[in-house]
Amino acid sequence: QITLKESGPTLVKPTQTLTLTCTFSGFSLSTSGVGVGWIRQPPGKALEWLALIYWDDDKRYSPSLKSRLTITKDTSKNQVVLTMTNMDPVDTATYYCAHRSPTTHDAFDIWGQGTMVTVSS
Amino acid sequence: SYELTQPLSVSVALGQTARITCGGNNIGSKNVHWYQQKPGQAPVLVIYRDSNRPSGIPERFSGSNSGNTATLTISRAQAGDEADYYCQVWDSSTYVFGTGTKVTVL
Repeated sequence: QITLKESGPTLVKPTQTLTLTCTFSGFSLSTSGVGVGWIRQPPGKALEWLALIYWDDDKRYSPSLKSRLTITKDTSKNQVVLTMTNMDPVDTATYYCAHRSPTTHDAFDIWGQGTMVTVSS
Repeated sequence: SYELTQPLSVSVALGQTARITCGGNNIGSKNVHWYQQKPGQAPVLVIYRDSNRPSGIPERFSGSNSGNTATLTISRAQAGDEADYYCQVWDSSTYVFGTGTKVTVL
């Protein structure tokens, strides 16, 4: 059974850097075709994809946020970390990590519960 | 950048059929995935690669994709189907979500 869980601060100040950790179980991020992505959702708004890291350490970023994002993995710890610099109140959102399966062709088949991050001074 | 457009809302009578569209330039050439999101919950994948259902998703959910429009169809709608629905594609090495559709079961 695949599970993912996000962790990190619930409140950050403007201009600070946000660091979120996705801890997962039930799969290995060294298996060919597997990936872990980050998606966020501001209150009452649509889903927005942020970044994804593949089993081979290939990384993809949202073009509009690329300059602020870094995604890394620690295969031995079953964790994926997302950092976002220069946080702004508009970045207030629920942040999800999700599993990308090679069999579903770039769909996210399992999601974490999400973690709400508020940006405020 | 690639854009996916969905209607803001769709209403369906209990037991009837709801159709949710997802518009994009030549979307028929891409794999389209659909997610259901209920209030306060994480999204759930209900259709992948245009028309495939993950394990545990009822047969009432089906999908199609052609030309510039992909469609998620919910047959025999139930009260539990009331949720937001999002389409998603992979384009130019990025993942793109649609604008989302709120489905109301009357």
